[in-house]
Amino acid sequence: DQQVKQNSPSLSVQEGRISILNCDYTNSMFDYFLWYKKYPAEGPTFLISISSIKDKNEDGRFTVFLNKSAKHLSLHIVPSQPGDSAVYFCAASARGAGNMLTFGGGTRLMVKP
Amino acid sequence: DAGVIQSPRHEVTEMGQEVTLRCKPISGHDYLFWYRQTMMRGLELLIYFNNNVPIDDSGMPEDRFSAKMPNASFSTLKIQPSEPRDSAVYFCASSFANSGGYTFGSGTRLTVV
Repeated sequence: DQQVKQNSPSLSVQEGRISILNCDYTNSMFDYFLWYKKYPAEGPTFLISISSIKDKNEDGRFTVFLNKSAKHLSLHIVPSQPGDSAVYFCAASARGAGNMLTFGGGTRLMVKP
Repeated sequence: DAGVIQSPRHEVTEMGQEVTLRCKPISGHDYLFWYRQTMMRGLELLIYFNNNVPIDDSGMPEDRFSAKMPNASFSTLKIQPSEPRDSAVYFCASSFANSGGYTFGSGTRLTVV
């Protein structure tokens, strides 16, 4: 039973356009959400996070939106750059879960020049 | 700090052999996690430790898998005997208290032939 799902295994976007990566979760106890970026042959690296008390968090070209009622979050990258091409993982944690993160299956983003 | 260090980077072994993966977490981090990445299941948590004590090993697929953390600066994940379906990239990650985010190592790509 996957508690965090990324239903799009891949996404292709033109350079300069917006990339939107989606993530759904089922566990209502999740209260902290993160996005990680992973390049080939490297470990995932932290990108941006959002607490359940917010519905938006922005950091430069990256914005994460949280819709708690729909149990849905999304990562917007604008403008997209070729260097953004990577696999993006959505992750979630619940307070009291011992710092444990549950990850989605990942979405491969390809930004074409 | 050099980050989370995993060794070896690549391991090719024959079915039935014992495999040991190693991890050195970031100094001062009190949580250590072992994840496995496969095409089918994305990033799945195998086991995690808090202050060197195993907290949740429910993700360990079978008794063939075992993990230890003898001290705060070292952990091993052992597979004995290994099988071709164990082929995957294994990541170690560490974090501090309830910081929310992990730092991942670069992973060990295991191939069992």
